[in-house]
Amino acid sequence: DAKTTQPNSMESNEEEPVHLPCNHSTISGTDYIHWYRQLPSQGPEYVIHGLTSNVNNRMASLAIAEDRKSSTLILHRATLRDAAVYYCILRGGNQFYFGTGTSLTVIP
Amino acid sequence: DVKVTQSSRYLVKRTGEKVFLECVQDMDHENMFWYRQDPGLGLRLIYFSYDVKMKEKGDIPEGYSVSREKKERFSLILESASTNQTSMYLCASRYTGALSPLHFGNGTRLTVT
Repeated sequence: DAKTTQPNSMESNEEEPVHLPCNHSTISGTDYIHWYRQLPSQGPEYVIHGLTSNVNNRMASLAIAEDRKSSTLILHRATLRDAAVYYCILRGGNQFYFGTGTSLTVIP
Repeated sequence: DVKVTQSSRYLVKRTGEKVFLECVQDMDHENMFWYRQDPGLGLRLIYFSYDVKMKEKGDIPEGYSVSREKKERFSLILESASTNQTSMYLCASRYTGALSPLHFGNGTRLTVT
């Protein structure tokens, strides 16, 4: 049973904002929402996480729905280096539940 | 900068061989993890460890075992490799605590022939 659902792939033009959606309708009250990305030939790397409120850091913003059943990772200006697979993950305790991710293509 | 190092980038083994995948982290993290990554299935947790000599099964432990004799090292063992264990294996580590992220190695691509 998938804990998160993401589109398989998305495209964006360079220097435009990108909104990557994630559904997690079975989220529990103590699950944190994490986002990681995986560049080609590398392991995943942390992007951002949140619990209930929207979050910003130098890499991205995370918008969390009021009912917490969905979230959106926002890249404010996509660059070619942002081309990667983006994973939306629920963290419960010490377990991180990865979905299959969204492969983001950035078009020059 | 946290470094998680996996001993081999590519590995080719024969069916029935015993295979060891090694992972070392340099940040004194309490928790270490082994995932496998397959197309269309994402990352799936095999085993994790929250302390030396402690281990917990993940979602797909069958056919695997682990060893954590020292805090910085976490080994994944395939007792008798099979072709369906051909995959990318990723090691990760993190501190205990809600805000601590996972830090991954760059993976070991294992092929079992």
